[in-house]
Amino acid sequence: QQPVQSPQAVILREGEDAVINCSSSKALYSVHWYRQKHGEAPVFLMILLKGGEQKGHDKISASFNEKKQQSSLYLTASQLSYSGTYFCGTEPDSSYKLIFGSGTRLLVRP
Amino acid sequence: EAGVAQSPRYKIIEKRQSVAFWCNPISGHATLYWYQQILGQGPKLLIQFQNNGVVDDSQLPKDRFSAERLKGVDSTLKIQPAKLEDSAVYLCASSLMGQNTEAFFGQGTRLTVV
Repeated sequence: QQPVQSPQAVILREGEDAVINCSSSKALYSVHWYRQKHGEAPVFLMILLKGGEQKGHDKISASFNEKKQQSSLYLTASQLSYSGTYFCGTEPDSSYKLIFGSGTRLLVRP
Repeated sequence: EAGVAQSPRYKIIEKRQSVAFWCNPISGHATLYWYQQILGQGPKLLIQFQNNGVVDDSQLPKDRFSAERLKGVDSTLKIQPAKLEDSAVYLCASSLMGQNTEAFFGQGTRLTVV
Protein backbone atom coordinates (compact mmCIF):
# COMPACT_ATOMS: atom_id res chain seq x y z
CA GLN A 1 0.00 0.00 0.00
CA GLN A 2 3.00 2.29 0.50
CA PRO A 3 3.71 4.34 -2.65
CA VAL A 4 6.98 3.69 -4.44
CA GLN A 5 9.31 6.61 -5.10
CA SER A 6 12.15 6.84 -7.59
CA PRO A 7 14.95 7.59 -7.74
CA GLN A 8 16.11 7.01 -4.18
CA ALA A 9 18.70 9.77 -4.41
CA VAL A 10 19.68 12.58 -6.77
CA ILE A 11 22.70 14.85 -6.83
CA LEU A 12 22.43 18.03 -8.87
CA ARG A 13 24.44 21.12 -9.64
CA GLU A 14 22.72 24.39 -8.91
CA GLY A 15 20.54 25.34 -11.87
CA GLU A 16 19.92 21.77 -13.07
CA ASP A 17 16.51 20.12 -13.27
CA ALA A 18 15.22 16.98 -11.59
CA VAL A 19 12.14 14.75 -11.68
CA ILE A 20 10.96 12.61 -8.78
CA ASN A 21 8.34 9.95 -9.38
CA CYS A 22 5.73 8.39 -7.13
CA SER A 23 3.55 5.43 -8.04
CA SER A 24 0.90 3.40 -6.30
CA SER A 25 -0.77 0.06 -6.90
CA LYS A 26 -4.00 1.42 -5.40
CA ALA A 27 -6.47 3.83 -6.95
CA LEU A 28 -5.71 7.24 -5.52
CA TYR A 29 -7.87 10.13 -4.45
CA SER A 30 -4.98 12.55 -4.14
CA VAL A 31 -1.21 12.86 -3.92
CA HIS A 32 0.67 15.12 -1.51
CA TRP A 33 4.27 16.25 -1.80
CA TYR A 34 6.40 17.22 1.21
CA ARG A 35 10.03 18.20 1.71
CA GLN A 36 11.97 17.37 4.86
CA LYS A 37 15.31 18.89 5.75
CA HIS A 38 17.65 17.07 8.08
CA GLY A 39 16.41 17.12 11.66
CA GLU A 40 13.25 19.02 10.76
CA ALA A 41 9.59 18.17 10.26
CA PRO A 42 8.20 17.55 6.77
CA VAL A 43 6.88 20.70 5.11
CA PHE A 44 3.97 20.69 2.70
CA LEU A 45 4.62 21.57 -0.94
CA MET A 46 1.37 20.79 -2.77
CA ILE A 47 -1.64 18.50 -3.19
CA LEU A 48 -2.86 17.08 -6.49
CA LEU A 49 -6.36 15.74 -6.81
CA LYS A 50 -7.82 13.02 -8.94
CA GLY A 51 -8.45 14.57 -12.31
CA GLY A 52 -4.89 14.77 -13.58
CA GLU A 53 -4.25 18.36 -12.64
CA GLN A 54 -0.85 19.91 -12.66
CA LYS A 55 0.21 22.38 -10.01
CA GLY A 56 3.09 24.76 -9.69
CA HIS A 57 4.86 26.38 -6.80
CA ASP A 58 7.64 28.78 -7.81
CA LYS A 59 9.97 26.52 -9.83
CA ILE A 60 8.56 23.33 -8.37
CA SER A 61 5.60 21.75 -10.11
CA ALA A 62 3.87 18.39 -10.15
CA SER A 63 1.49 16.30 -12.19
CA PHE A 64 -0.87 13.45 -11.37
CA ASN A 65 -1.72 10.74 -13.88
CA GLU A 66 -4.88 9.20 -12.51
CA LYS A 67 -4.97 6.31 -14.97
CA LYS A 68 -1.47 5.20 -14.09
CA GLN A 69 -1.78 6.14 -10.40
CA GLN A 70 1.46 8.07 -10.73
CA SER A 71 2.65 11.51 -9.79
CA SER A 72 5.81 13.33 -10.74
CA LEU A 73 7.48 16.28 -9.02
CA TYR A 74 9.48 18.60 -11.26
CA LEU A 75 12.22 20.81 -9.85
CA THR A 76 13.40 23.38 -12.36
CA ALA A 77 16.60 25.39 -12.14
CA SER A 78 17.35 23.91 -8.74
CA GLN A 79 18.58 26.06 -5.89
CA LEU A 80 20.72 25.10 -2.91
CA SER A 81 17.63 25.46 -0.72
CA TYR A 82 15.96 22.60 -2.59
CA SER A 83 18.22 20.08 -0.86
CA GLY A 84 16.36 17.69 1.39
CA THR A 85 14.29 14.53 1.24
CA TYR A 86 11.11 14.62 -0.79
CA PHE A 87 8.19 12.44 0.19
CA CYS A 88 5.00 11.74 -1.68
CA GLY A 89 1.96 10.97 0.42
CA THR A 90 -1.03 9.23 -1.07
CA GLU A 91 -4.68 9.07 -0.09
CA PRO A 92 -6.32 5.94 -1.44
CA ASP A 93 -9.89 6.21 -2.69
CA SER A 94 -12.54 6.06 0.01
CA SER A 95 -9.97 6.37 2.74
CA TYR A 96 -8.78 9.21 4.90
CA LYS A 97 -5.36 7.62 5.37
CA LEU A 98 -2.26 9.58 4.33
CA ILE A 99 0.55 7.15 3.57
CA PHE A 100 4.07 8.20 2.68
CA GLY A 101 6.67 6.72 0.36
CA SER A 102 10.24 6.02 1.45
CA GLY A 103 11.52 9.33 0.11
CA THR A 104 13.97 10.71 -2.46
CA ARG A 105 17.10 12.39 -1.16
CA LEU A 106 18.05 15.45 -3.20
CA LEU A 107 21.37 17.21 -2.85
CA VAL A 108 22.00 20.41 -4.77
CA ARG A 109 25.65 21.45 -4.99
CA PRO A 110 27.05 24.87 -5.95
CA GLU B 1 -1.26 30.68 13.77
CA ALA B 2 0.36 28.35 16.29
CA GLY B 3 1.72 25.13 14.85
CA VAL B 4 1.48 21.55 16.04
CA ALA B 5 3.13 21.25 19.44
CA GLN B 6 4.84 18.08 20.61
CA SER B 7 6.66 17.16 23.77
CA PRO B 8 9.14 16.07 24.80
CA ARG B 9 11.60 16.79 21.97
CA TYR B 10 13.99 14.07 23.05
CA LYS B 11 13.65 11.00 25.24
CA ILE B 12 16.11 8.27 26.16
CA ILE B 13 14.80 5.21 27.96
CA GLU B 14 15.91 1.67 28.65
CA LYS B 15 14.21 -1.24 26.95
CA ARG B 16 11.13 -2.53 28.74
CA GLN B 17 10.44 0.91 30.20
CA SER B 18 7.36 2.90 29.24
CA VAL B 19 7.17 6.31 27.57
CA ALA B 20 4.46 8.76 26.55
CA PHE B 21 4.40 11.47 23.93
CA TRP B 22 2.04 14.40 23.82
CA CYS B 23 0.65 16.30 20.84
CA ASN B 24 -1.43 19.46 20.64
CA PRO B 25 -2.73 19.96 17.10
CA ILE B 26 -3.56 23.23 15.40
CA SER B 27 -6.80 24.63 16.76
CA GLY B 28 -9.81 23.50 14.79
CA HIS B 29 -8.08 20.63 13.05
CA ALA B 30 -10.30 17.57 13.12
CA THR B 31 -7.75 15.07 11.88
CA LEU B 32 -4.70 14.02 13.88
CA TYR B 33 -1.99 11.60 12.77
CA TRP B 34 0.83 9.83 14.59
CA TYR B 35 3.74 8.70 12.44
CA GLN B 36 6.86 6.75 13.27
CA GLN B 37 9.93 7.74 11.25
CA ILE B 38 12.95 5.48 11.53
CA LEU B 39 16.21 7.05 10.40
CA GLY B 40 16.47 7.07 6.61
CA GLN B 41 12.87 6.01 6.02
CA GLY B 42 9.57 7.69 5.25
CA PRO B 43 7.01 8.42 7.97
CA LYS B 44 4.96 5.32 8.78
CA LEU B 45 1.36 5.94 9.79
CA LEU B 46 0.64 4.47 13.22
CA ILE B 47 -2.79 5.85 13.93
CA GLN B 48 -5.16 8.44 12.53
CA PHE B 49 -7.98 10.14 14.44
CA GLN B 50 -10.94 12.02 13.07
CA ASN B 51 -12.14 14.09 16.03
CA ASN B 52 -12.40 11.52 18.84
CA GLY B 53 -12.67 8.47 16.65
CA VAL B 54 -9.97 6.24 15.21
CA VAL B 55 -9.93 6.20 11.40
CA ASP B 56 -7.07 3.77 11.03
CA ASP B 57 -4.74 1.98 13.42
CA SER B 58 -3.83 -0.98 11.27
CA GLN B 59 -0.08 -0.32 11.62
CA LEU B 60 -0.13 0.29 15.38
CA PRO B 61 1.53 -2.55 17.35
CA LYS B 62 -1.34 -2.80 19.77
CA ASP B 63 0.42 -5.16 22.15
CA ARG B 64 2.71 -2.32 23.20
CA PHE B 65 1.47 0.93 21.66
CA SER B 66 -1.67 2.82 22.60
CA ALA B 67 -3.02 6.21 21.69
CA GLU B 68 -5.93 8.35 22.67
CA ARG B 69 -7.35 11.68 21.71
CA LEU B 70 -9.32 13.28 24.46
CA LYS B 71 -12.20 15.59 23.55
CA GLY B 72 -11.01 15.62 19.95
CA VAL B 73 -8.06 17.90 20.73
CA ASP B 74 -4.82 16.78 22.43
CA SER B 75 -3.45 13.31 21.92
CA THR B 76 -1.02 11.02 23.68
CA LEU B 77 0.89 8.07 22.29
CA LYS B 78 2.25 5.52 24.75
CA ILE B 79 4.71 2.69 24.39
CA GLN B 80 4.79 0.02 27.07
CA PRO B 81 7.15 -1.81 27.18
CA ALA B 82 9.61 -0.26 24.76
CA LYS B 83 11.90 -2.30 22.53
CA LEU B 84 15.16 -1.33 20.89
CA GLU B 85 13.47 -1.21 17.48
CA ASP B 86 11.13 1.52 18.71
CA SER B 87 13.98 4.01 18.45
CA ALA B 88 12.70 6.57 15.98
CA VAL B 89 11.24 10.03 15.62
CA TYR B 90 7.54 10.14 16.44
CA LEU B 91 5.79 12.79 14.41
CA CYS B 92 2.37 14.20 15.10
CA ALA B 93 0.49 15.96 12.32
CA SER B 94 -2.92 17.54 11.99
CA SER B 95 -5.16 18.67 9.17
CA LEU B 96 -8.39 20.56 8.90
CA MET B 97 -10.61 17.86 7.47
CA GLY B 98 -8.43 14.87 6.64
CA GLN B 99 -8.95 13.94 3.05
CA ASN B 100 -7.64 16.40 0.49
CA THR B 101 -6.16 18.84 2.98
CA GLU B 102 -2.62 19.76 3.90
CA ALA B 103 -1.11 18.05 6.92
CA PHE B 104 0.94 20.19 9.30
CA PHE B 105 3.68 18.42 11.21
CA GLY B 106 5.10 19.02 14.65
CA GLN B 107 8.84 18.97 15.34
CA GLY B 108 8.64 15.39 16.54
CA THR B 109 9.95 13.46 19.53
CA ARG B 110 13.22 11.64 19.04
CA LEU B 111 13.09 8.43 21.08
CA THR B 112 16.20 6.41 21.80
CA VAL B 113 15.76 3.04 23.46
CA VAL B 114 18.96 1.62 24.96
